[in-house]
Amino acid sequence: QLQLQESGPGLVKPSETLSLTCTVSGGSLSSSNYYWVWIRQPPGEGLEWIGSIYYSGKTFYNPSLKSRLSMSVDMSRDQFSLKLSSVTAADTAVYYCARQDLELGRVSWFDPWGQGTLVTASS
Amino acid sequence: EIVLTQSPATLSLSPGERATLSCRASQSVRSFLAWYQQKPGQAPRLLIYDVSNRATGTPARFSGSGSGTDFTLTISSLEPEDFAVYYCQQRSDWPLTFGGGTKVEIK
Repeated sequence: QLQLQESGPGLVKPSETLSLTCTVSGGSLSSSNYYWVWIRQPPGEGLEWIGSIYYSGKTFYNPSLKSRLSMSVDMSRDQFSLKLSSVTAADTAVYYCARQDLELGRVSWFDPWGQGTLVTASS
Repeated sequence: EIVLTQSPATLSLSPGERATLSCRASQSVRSFLAWYQQKPGQAPRLLIYDVSNRATGTPARFSGSGSGTDFTLTISSLEPEDFAVYYCQQRSDWPLTFGGGTKVEIK
C-alpha cells in the first residue's frame, strides 16, 4: 500500500526558504502513471493546491506561488521536494504531499495523502 | 482560475438526518469534480470522484450528483463518524482549485 511521509523543518524565518521532502514507500516515484503533488492548509482555513510534478521533472505550479516555487524529484531515493522562497507569515500552514493518477493524459484526484507537516514562518 | 463556492459554510444536523452540501463552479468543470472529507487533525480523504463515483472505502450513504457548474454531495443518513469538513475540488483546468469547505457539525 502506497504511503507518503512529509519531512522538513517545522520553523522557517521570514524571508528564508521553506524546504520539504516527501518520501514515497510501497510504490515507485518513477511510474509514468502518476503526478506527485504538494497541497497546503493554513491553520483553520481551506486547502490550496501548490503544484504537481511528474517523474520526468515536468511541473505545473499554482500561479499565485510560481515566482517563489521550485519542485524536484529524486527517483533514486523515491522522494520529491518543495522549495518556497521568501516566506512570510502567510506561508504558515500544514503542508501535505499526495499522489495524482494520470487518466487519459489528464491528472486525476489526490489520493492518497501524507499525514501533513506544520510549517510556521516566524522569527 | 475556476472558483468553487461551497454552501452552506456550516450545516448543523443530528445523527440519522440527511445532509445536502452544494458546490458551485464559476465555469463549467464538466464531470471533473471530487469531494474530500477531512476530520480534525487528519489529512483529507478522497470520498467521491468524477461527480458520482465512490472512492474505495466510501460507504453507500454518500452520493454525488450534478454536472457543469452545480454539484451536490448527499449523505443519506448521518453517522457519528460523518461529522467533518467536506471540500469539493476540480481538475478541469489549471490551477487545480478547492472550494472553501462545508463543516457538518452535530446539532
